[in-house]
Formats: sequence, C-alpha cells, structure tokens
Amino acid sequence: DVKVTQSSRYLVKRTGEKVFLECVQDMDHENMFWYRQDPGLGLRLIYFSYDVKMKEKGDIPEGYSVSREKKERFSLILESASTNQTSMYLCASSLLWTSGRASYEQYFGPGTRLTVT
Amino acid sequence: KNQVEQSPQSLIILEGKNCTLQCNYTVSPFSNLRWYKQDTGRGPVSLTIMTFSENTKSNGRYTATLDADTKQSSLHITASQLSDSASYICVVTHARAYKYIFGTGTRLKVLA
Repeated sequence: DVKVTQSSRYLVKRTGEKVFLECVQDMDHENMFWYRQDPGLGLRLIYFSYDVKMKEKGDIPEGYSVSREKKERFSLILESASTNQTSMYLCASSLLWTSGRASYEQYFGPGTRLTVT
Repeated sequence: KNQVEQSPQSLIILEGKNCTLQCNYTVSPFSNLRWYKQDTGRGPVSLTIMTFSENTKSNGRYTATLDADTKQSSLHITASQLSDSASYICVVTHARAYKYIFGTGTRLKVLA
C-alpha cells in the first residue's frame, strides 16, 4: 500500500513565523504535489515536483516555496505566515507522467490543518 | 477554460437510500476522470477512474458513469451507509498539460 505521511495533523503558528510542512512517501514516486483546500474552492495546486531538486509552480505559488532534496520527501515552506494562509494543506504523490499517459493515480496524505493567528 | 463543476454542493439522505452526484467538465483534451472520497479531516482516496472509452465503472456500492460526448459524469451510491458520509470530489486529468483539475466536491451526509 502506498503511504504518504505528513509531519503534523494540526499546526498553530503566529503571523510572520516561518513554517515548514513535511511530506514523505514510501512508494518511490517521482511526482509530488502540495495543495491547499479551502471550503468552496476545492483543491488548488501550490507547487509540484517531478524529480529531486526540480519544482514547478502551480496555480497559487505566491507566499510559498518548496524543497525536494530527496526523492521521498517534499517540503512546503511558508516564508512569513499570514492569516490568509490558514487552510488545510494536502500532499500527494504519483508515478511520473509519460507521454500520453497522464493517468497515474495521486495518493494523498492525511492533511495538515494550519491555523495562522 | 478548463473547469470541473459538481452538483449538488451538499446532500442529506437517509441510510439505505440511493443517491447520484453529478460532475460536468470542460477540460479538453481529456485524459481520464476520477472520483475521490474524502472523509472529514482526511486526504482524498480514489474510488474509480474512467478513460475516454469507458462509460461505466463500479467499486462495490459505488458506480460511476461517463458520457464523454456531453462531458458529464455521475457517481451513484446504492444502499447508502453512515460511513458514506464524506465529500466526493471529481477530478479530470488534462491530456496534454499533465494537470489534475479538481471539482469543489459534494458533501454527503447520511442520517440514521
């Protein structure tokens, strides 16, 4: 079974703090993703990575950065947390897409509910 | 614009009843469509996947249908159980952009 774990289920931080969210997968997947999920907006892609040290901006990268130093680990960094970054953060992984086969299932972690006060 | 819309936003049914959730999409070119179930406070878990050539797929009491001509999908839940209470998310994969496009979900509550 694929397992995607996230470092914290719940996190409370103060405005201006630097926040690290960690995600680890154990299935040797090339792709890893960070999403945020807000009521009425669905999942929105922040960043994704298709290889170690590689990253691509998603739809809402502003205020976030990522790091992928090892294949199994993908970190999301909030450089200076703000209240509008209060949200549920979901990490996912999948096999690498190949031409004509973007059908690989994404496996999600349990999520981190971040509150910024 | 590539979009996925789901209806209804929320639904309440009695245990044992059937229900159908809808997903309409404008994603083109289309690769595949998945339905995910997300329990409260958890990550989404895949229920079914359908490609262009498939028009129905079952997973236990869950049956998904796809009409690629009208770009519509539905998820039918038979003999609902309390454990079916969750959000159901429709996700369409764009064939060239290698991008997953998410609907906003339908929140289902099953009452005893």
